[in-house]
Amino acid sequence: DTVLTQSPALAVSPGERVTISCRASESVSTLMHWYQQKPGQQPTLLIYLASNLESGVPARFSGSGSGTDFTLTIDPVEADDTATYYCQQSWNDPLTFGSGTKLEIK
Amino acid sequence: QVKLQQSGAELVKPGASVKLSCKTSGYTFSTSYMSWFKQIPGQSIEWIGMIYAGDGGTGYNQKFKGKATLTVDTSSSTAYMDLSSLTTEDSAVYFCARYSSYTVSFAYWGQGTLVTVSS
Repeated sequence: DTVLTQSPALAVSPGERVTISCRASESVSTLMHWYQQKPGQQPTLLIYLASNLESGVPARFSGSGSGTDFTLTIDPVEADDTATYYCQQSWNDPLTFGSGTKLEIK
Repeated sequence: QVKLQQSGAELVKPGASVKLSCKTSGYTFSTSYMSWFKQIPGQSIEWIGMIYAGDGGTGYNQKFKGKATLTVDTSSSTAYMDLSSLTTEDSAVYFCARYSSYTVSFAYWGQGTLVTVSS
């Protein structure tokens, strides 16, 4: 299975820029997506196919990368962005998710 | 608008089975794909499998073969997942999500169903 590695946690202040990384154990081309999940809720799609902003998602969110290294950027961060962020690949079977990055807004 | 409404929380005994539902509206169910996911609270998300509502064709994560069975009822635009021979390791929140073959991602999710396996 394709393992997606994310840093476990980050803490930033409102207004700052934050980058969340995701490294795949093998190439996933650009079939990488990013989700936000708040406690007790279902995941919400933010970015699909590495760099495409999902409809309705604020332009503060952006994504980049290809192959094995991907980044989700939030600029500027707002208090409401407190959540866990997951990357997910659709290139290799089975579909897999990263372990999640918990973002705290100070 | 697209909606996925999942069935309520379940408390089941070890060894039993449970059938979860995901009722959809707001799109053409019969030509769409639906996936199911498992999330143990505090942990990441696992993909269980996918079903094409058009013909009932399925694909499973090898880890969940024999544990989960996906079906659909196109007359009610509802997807189902049967979980069998339940153990405490199956206690989790289960989500359904509509798969987009265009973006190969999941933009629409159900609210989740908590399954607790306990004697």
